[in-house]
Amino acid sequence: DTGVSQDPRHKITKRGQNVTFRCDPISEHNRLYWYRQTLGQGPEFLTYFQNEAQLEKSRLLSDRFSAERPKGSFSTLEIQRTEQGDSAMYLCASSLNPDRSDTQYFGPGTRLTVL
Amino acid sequence: DAKTTQPTSMDCAEGRAANLPCNHSTISGNEYVYWYRQIHSQGPQYIIHGLKNNETNEMASLIITEDRKSSTLILPHATLRDTAVYYCIANAGGTSYGKLTFGQGTILTVHP
Repeated sequence: DTGVSQDPRHKITKRGQNVTFRCDPISEHNRLYWYRQTLGQGPEFLTYFQNEAQLEKSRLLSDRFSAERPKGSFSTLEIQRTEQGDSAMYLCASSLNPDRSDTQYFGPGTRLTVL
Repeated sequence: DAKTTQPTSMDCAEGRAANLPCNHSTISGNEYVYWYRQIHSQGPQYIIHGLKNNETNEMASLIITEDRKSSTLILPHATLRDTAVYYCIANAGGTSYGKLTFGQGTILTVHP
């Protein structure tokens, strides 16, 4: 399977702990996106990378959140001092630019539960 | 991204065609219409996209009106596994950074 992969699939943590999620995009896809989805809502954009450069961040991405894509391949999303409001599904997507339509392909997501 | 409007929910009988409408009256000339679906607790699955012309792939057909203000996703022979939330999104794709703005989508329930 050469789709987008995410690890872990599920994470349960206590409030105040730090968590890190990993996303491996489709090979050779140069754009990588992070989204967050809460129960009953559609996914919301958090941030995106083109190669290793982080080019856009949503206002949803507070200073407790940091994302990296050090070599333009896999990406990590870290949440420091987790809060119960951080409980959500965190989705990663990748796309190949300059495919003009820039179709994004999503991974299975990491479900975070903060107790 | 142009705003899209979809019905909250729809039902379909198994084996019949499911026709999911979407309004995007403010769509720009460079914005594509994308369709994704999301089955419970899974990541969104890309279905199809189009700019002006009707499109068909192994999953579905996309019919875009001539004025591009609305479109219809057609699942020709719906199965129980097609029960999902379907999202219609207007996005400029590679000409922008391609952030997808998801609405509430349409909950499609396929009945036996």
